[in-house]
Amino acid sequence: GAVVSQHPSRVICKSGTSVKIECRSLDFQATTMFWYRQFPKQSLMLMATSNEGSKATYEQGVEKDKFLINHASLTLSTLTVTSAHPEDSSFYICSASLTSTVYEQYFGPGTRLTVT
Amino acid sequence: AQSVSQHNHHVILSEAASLELGCNYSYGGTVNLFWYVQYPGQHLQLLLKYFSGDPLVKGIKGFEAEFIKSKFSFNLRKPSVQWSDTAEYFCAVNADSWGKLQFGAGTQVVVTP
Repeated sequence: GAVVSQHPSRVICKSGTSVKIECRSLDFQATTMFWYRQFPKQSLMLMATSNEGSKATYEQGVEKDKFLINHASLTLSTLTVTSAHPEDSSFYICSASLTSTVYEQYFGPGTRLTVT
Repeated sequence: AQSVSQHNHHVILSEAASLELGCNYSYGGTVNLFWYVQYPGQHLQLLLKYFSGDPLVKGIKGFEAEFIKSKFSFNLRKPSVQWSDTAEYFCAVNADSWGKLQFGAGTQVVVTP
């Protein structure tokens, strides 16, 4: 149980275009979903926290107009990287929590974004 | 500011050796503690967690961790590693007031046959 999927697993896009990444909780309803960015050989950096039906809460330094997060249902959250640039190339990971707290998160497999 | 420190960034050991990975956090209040593992090419998986009670926590695949409150530590141990334990290990800490998980930098563990 508690499976989280992400789509796509890999995406290559050109500079200036937008890319949407989907995060789904497959067998449970996720009150809260989280989006992380992982740089090579580094830890996960939380980008934002989203609760179903409300605006996402972004971490300091994360541009909310660039990284649009939508949490339309209890099983789906999307991250859209707008006007992507090469420096946005990274590994993006989502996670989902059963509760509104963060006691336990279930992680998706991640999406490798490469911006050319 | 709260922080989570993992002492070793890279550990190489032979099969059957014992493993201990250090994790310390800086926060004086009540915390929830986690160890996650990321096998090559796979997503993060929960190894074990501590919320309260017995400070010695047993997780999956023979791993255990001990919460020592006085030392602000939550070290991960396995008495005898296998080649399949090659992975990156992340310590994570959460407190009610934080609203998020704080991850350590991770430790890359390589187990040689």
